[in-house]
Amino acid sequence: DAKTTQPNSMESNEEEPVHLPCNHSTISGTDYIHWYRQLPSQGPEYVIHGLTSNVNNRMASLAIAEDRKSSTLILHRATLRDAAVYYCILRDVESNSGGSNYKLTFGKGTLLTVNP
Amino acid sequence: EPEVTQTPSHQVTQMGQEVILRCVPISNHLYFYWYRQILGQKVEFLVSFYNNEISEKSEIFDDQFSVERPDGSNFTLKIRSTKLEDSAMYFCASSEGGWDQPQHFGDGTRLSIL
Repeated sequence: DAKTTQPNSMESNEEEPVHLPCNHSTISGTDYIHWYRQLPSQGPEYVIHGLTSNVNNRMASLAIAEDRKSSTLILHRATLRDAAVYYCILRDVESNSGGSNYKLTFGKGTLLTVNP
Repeated sequence: EPEVTQTPSHQVTQMGQEVILRCVPISNHLYFYWYRQILGQKVEFLVSFYNNEISEKSEIFDDQFSVERPDGSNFTLKIRSTKLEDSAMYFCASSEGGWDQPQHFGDGTRLSIL
Protein backbone atom coordinates (compact mmCIF):
# COMPACT_ATOMS: atom_id res chain seq x y z
CA ASP A 1 0.00 0.00 0.00
CA ALA A 2 1.16 3.54 -0.80
CA LYS A 3 2.50 5.65 2.05
CA THR A 4 0.60 8.44 3.79
CA THR A 5 1.94 11.38 5.80
CA GLN A 6 -0.02 13.01 8.59
CA PRO A 7 0.90 15.60 11.22
CA ASN A 8 1.73 14.02 14.55
CA SER A 9 -0.76 16.16 16.44
CA MET A 10 -3.37 18.88 16.07
CA GLU A 11 -5.44 20.91 18.47
CA SER A 12 -8.89 22.37 18.12
CA ASN A 13 -11.60 23.99 20.17
CA GLU A 14 -14.94 22.47 20.93
CA GLU A 15 -17.73 23.29 18.46
CA GLU A 16 -15.26 24.53 15.84
CA PRO A 17 -14.50 22.78 12.54
CA VAL A 18 -11.38 20.64 12.29
CA HIS A 19 -9.46 19.90 9.12
CA LEU A 20 -7.13 16.92 9.37
CA PRO A 21 -4.73 16.69 6.42
CA CYS A 22 -3.19 13.63 4.81
CA ASN A 23 -0.57 13.59 2.08
CA HIS A 24 -0.33 10.60 -0.24
CA SER A 25 1.77 11.78 -3.16
CA THR A 26 2.46 8.23 -4.45
CA ILE A 27 -1.21 7.23 -4.53
CA SER A 28 -2.18 4.99 -7.43
CA GLY A 29 -5.34 5.23 -9.49
CA THR A 30 -6.87 2.25 -7.71
CA ASP A 31 -6.12 3.36 -4.14
CA TYR A 32 -9.11 4.21 -1.99
CA ILE A 33 -8.59 6.68 0.87
CA HIS A 34 -9.91 5.39 4.20
CA TRP A 35 -10.04 7.16 7.57
CA TYR A 36 -10.28 5.46 10.92
CA ARG A 37 -9.97 6.88 14.40
CA GLN A 38 -9.05 5.43 17.77
CA LEU A 39 -10.52 6.93 20.90
CA PRO A 40 -8.59 6.43 24.14
CA SER A 41 -8.76 2.84 25.40
CA GLN A 42 -10.87 1.71 22.46
CA GLY A 43 -10.38 -0.14 19.21
CA PRO A 44 -10.14 1.69 15.90
CA GLU A 45 -13.39 2.97 14.44
CA TYR A 46 -14.22 3.48 10.77
CA VAL A 47 -14.93 7.11 9.84
CA ILE A 48 -15.21 7.47 6.07
CA HIS A 49 -13.67 6.48 2.74
CA GLY A 50 -13.59 7.71 -0.86
CA LEU A 51 -11.87 7.43 -4.24
CA THR A 52 -12.10 10.69 -6.16
CA SER A 53 -15.20 12.64 -5.20
CA ASN A 54 -15.77 14.34 -1.89
CA VAL A 55 -17.78 12.20 0.52
CA ASN A 56 -20.07 13.03 3.41
CA ASN A 57 -21.53 10.89 6.15
CA ARG A 58 -22.98 11.47 9.59
CA MET A 59 -19.55 11.54 11.20
CA ALA A 60 -17.44 13.62 8.84
CA SER A 61 -16.65 14.83 5.33
CA LEU A 62 -13.74 13.77 3.16
CA ALA A 63 -12.33 16.29 0.73
CA ILE A 64 -10.02 14.80 -1.92
CA ALA A 65 -7.69 16.99 -3.97
CA GLU A 66 -8.18 16.96 -7.71
CA ASP A 67 -4.80 15.27 -8.27
CA ARG A 68 -5.58 12.88 -5.34
CA LYS A 69 -2.17 13.49 -3.81
CA SER A 70 -3.77 14.77 -0.63
CA SER A 71 -7.03 14.62 1.26
CA THR A 72 -8.61 16.29 4.27
CA LEU A 73 -10.92 14.83 6.86
CA ILE A 74 -13.35 17.48 8.07
CA LEU A 75 -15.14 17.32 11.39
CA HIS A 76 -17.73 20.07 11.10
CA ARG A 77 -18.16 20.75 14.82
CA ALA A 78 -15.62 19.13 17.07
CA THR A 79 -16.82 17.73 20.37
CA LEU A 80 -14.76 16.46 23.30
CA ARG A 81 -15.68 12.95 22.16
CA ASP A 82 -13.80 13.54 18.90
CA ALA A 83 -10.46 13.60 20.73
CA ALA A 84 -8.68 10.60 19.23
CA VAL A 85 -5.89 9.43 16.95
CA TYR A 86 -7.00 9.74 13.32
CA TYR A 87 -5.52 7.42 10.72
CA CYS A 88 -5.46 7.99 6.96
CA ILE A 89 -5.04 4.63 5.16
CA LEU A 90 -4.80 3.80 1.47
CA ARG A 91 -6.27 0.52 0.22
CA ASP A 92 -5.55 -0.71 -3.28
CA VAL A 93 -8.50 -2.45 -4.91
CA GLU A 94 -6.31 -4.17 -7.49
CA SER A 95 -4.22 -6.00 -4.91
CA ASN A 96 -7.28 -7.35 -3.14
CA SER A 97 -8.57 -10.65 -4.36
CA GLY A 98 -9.78 -13.92 -2.94
CA GLY A 99 -9.79 -12.67 0.60
CA SER A 100 -6.15 -11.73 0.64
CA ASN A 101 -4.68 -8.33 1.36
CA TYR A 102 -7.78 -6.94 3.03
CA LYS A 103 -5.74 -5.90 6.03
CA LEU A 104 -5.54 -2.33 7.24
CA THR A 105 -2.04 -0.91 7.56
CA PHE A 106 -2.01 1.71 10.30
CA GLY A 107 0.57 4.46 10.58
CA LYS A 108 1.08 6.69 13.61
CA GLY A 109 -1.86 8.93 12.71
CA THR A 110 -2.70 12.40 14.03
CA LEU A 111 -3.50 12.87 17.70
CA LEU A 112 -6.38 15.35 17.85
CA THR A 113 -6.86 17.26 21.10
CA VAL A 114 -10.15 19.10 21.56
CA ASN A 115 -10.18 21.95 24.05
CA PRO A 116 -13.40 22.78 25.91
CA GLU B 1 -26.03 -0.92 16.54
CA PRO B 2 -24.38 -4.36 16.37
CA GLU B 3 -20.84 -4.50 17.70
CA VAL B 4 -17.84 -6.77 17.99
CA THR B 5 -17.38 -8.04 21.53
CA GLN B 6 -14.15 -9.35 23.02
CA THR B 7 -13.49 -11.28 26.19
CA PRO B 8 -11.81 -11.01 28.56
CA SER B 9 -11.06 -7.31 28.71
CA HIS B 10 -7.83 -8.04 30.57
CA GLN B 11 -5.88 -11.30 30.70
CA VAL B 12 -2.84 -11.86 32.89
CA THR B 13 -0.80 -14.96 32.11
CA GLN B 14 2.53 -16.44 33.11
CA MET B 15 5.18 -16.63 30.40
CA GLY B 16 5.08 -19.96 28.62
CA GLN B 17 1.39 -20.52 29.25
CA GLU B 18 -1.24 -20.85 26.55
CA VAL B 19 -3.85 -18.14 26.22
CA ILE B 20 -7.05 -17.94 24.19
CA LEU B 21 -8.59 -14.60 23.34
CA ARG B 22 -12.22 -14.66 22.33
CA CYS B 23 -14.24 -12.52 19.97
CA VAL B 24 -17.84 -12.48 18.82
CA PRO B 25 -17.93 -10.73 15.43
CA ILE B 26 -21.00 -9.03 14.01
CA SER B 27 -23.40 -11.78 13.00
CA ASN B 28 -23.72 -11.28 9.24
CA HIS B 29 -20.03 -10.52 8.69
CA LEU B 30 -17.88 -12.87 6.64
CA TYR B 31 -14.33 -11.58 7.15
CA PHE B 32 -12.54 -11.68 10.45
CA TYR B 33 -9.27 -10.16 11.62
CA TRP B 34 -6.92 -9.93 14.56
CA TYR B 35 -4.66 -6.94 15.16
CA ARG B 36 -2.43 -6.07 18.08
CA GLN B 37 -1.10 -2.85 19.54
CA ILE B 38 1.91 -2.82 21.83
CA LEU B 39 1.71 0.05 24.29
CA GLY B 40 2.61 3.32 22.59
CA GLN B 41 3.03 1.74 19.17
CA LYS B 42 1.05 1.35 15.96
CA VAL B 43 -1.84 -1.02 15.44
CA GLU B 44 -0.38 -4.07 13.63
CA PHE B 45 -2.18 -6.62 11.50
CA LEU B 46 -1.86 -10.25 12.58
CA VAL B 47 -4.23 -12.37 10.50
CA SER B 48 -7.34 -12.35 8.36
CA PHE B 49 -9.81 -15.24 8.12
CA TYR B 50 -12.47 -15.97 5.53
CA ASN B 51 -14.46 -19.04 4.57
CA ASN B 52 -13.00 -21.00 7.49
CA GLU B 53 -9.40 -20.49 6.56
CA ILE B 54 -6.62 -18.00 6.97
CA SER B 55 -6.50 -15.67 3.96
CA GLU B 56 -3.48 -13.66 5.01
CA LYS B 57 -1.08 -13.45 7.92
CA SER B 58 1.75 -11.18 8.92
CA GLU B 59 5.29 -12.08 9.95
CA ILE B 60 4.22 -11.65 13.57
CA PHE B 61 1.74 -14.52 13.21
CA ASP B 62 4.19 -17.38 13.61
CA ASP B 63 3.66 -21.01 14.64
CA GLN B 64 2.83 -19.95 18.18
CA PHE B 65 -0.37 -18.30 16.97
CA SER B 66 -3.52 -19.92 15.66
CA VAL B 67 -7.07 -18.83 14.94
CA GLU B 68 -10.29 -20.74 14.93
CA ARG B 69 -13.96 -20.22 14.35
CA PRO B 70 -15.25 -23.12 16.45
CA ASP B 71 -18.93 -22.37 15.92
CA GLY B 72 -21.07 -19.89 14.04
CA SER B 73 -20.43 -17.03 16.40
CA ASN B 74 -17.00 -17.12 18.04
CA PHE B 75 -13.61 -16.28 16.58
CA THR B 76 -10.60 -17.09 18.74
CA LEU B 77 -6.90 -16.28 18.79
CA LYS B 78 -4.66 -18.76 20.59
CA ILE B 79 -1.09 -18.13 21.61
CA ARG B 80 0.49 -21.48 22.43
CA SER B 81 3.43 -20.49 24.60
CA THR B 82 3.34 -16.84 25.54
CA LYS B 83 6.43 -14.63 25.63
CA LEU B 84 6.96 -11.33 27.41
CA GLU B 85 6.85 -9.53 24.07
CA ASP B 86 3.31 -10.80 23.44
CA SER B 87 2.08 -8.27 25.99
CA ALA B 88 -0.21 -5.94 24.02
CA MET B 89 -3.79 -4.97 23.27
CA TYR B 90 -5.35 -7.47 20.89
CA PHE B 91 -8.18 -6.25 18.70
CA CYS B 92 -10.63 -8.39 16.81
CA ALA B 93 -12.39 -6.94 13.78
CA SER B 94 -14.97 -8.11 11.28
CA SER B 95 -16.37 -6.86 7.99
CA GLU B 96 -19.25 -7.75 5.67
CA GLY B 97 -17.04 -7.83 2.63
CA GLY B 98 -13.44 -7.32 1.69
CA TRP B 99 -11.45 -4.26 0.89
CA ASP B 100 -14.30 -1.82 0.32
CA GLN B 101 -16.23 -2.56 3.47
CA PRO B 102 -15.39 -0.93 6.80
CA GLN B 103 -13.86 -3.11 9.45
CA HIS B 104 -15.61 -3.01 12.81
CA PHE B 105 -13.33 -3.39 15.81
CA GLY B 106 -13.91 -4.61 19.33
CA ASP B 107 -12.54 -2.74 22.32
CA GLY B 108 -9.73 -5.21 22.69
CA THR B 109 -8.22 -7.57 25.23
CA ARG B 110 -5.24 -6.33 27.17
CA LEU B 111 -2.82 -9.24 27.46
CA SER B 112 -0.18 -8.97 30.18
CA ILE B 113 2.53 -11.61 30.28
CA LEU B 114 4.42 -11.94 33.58
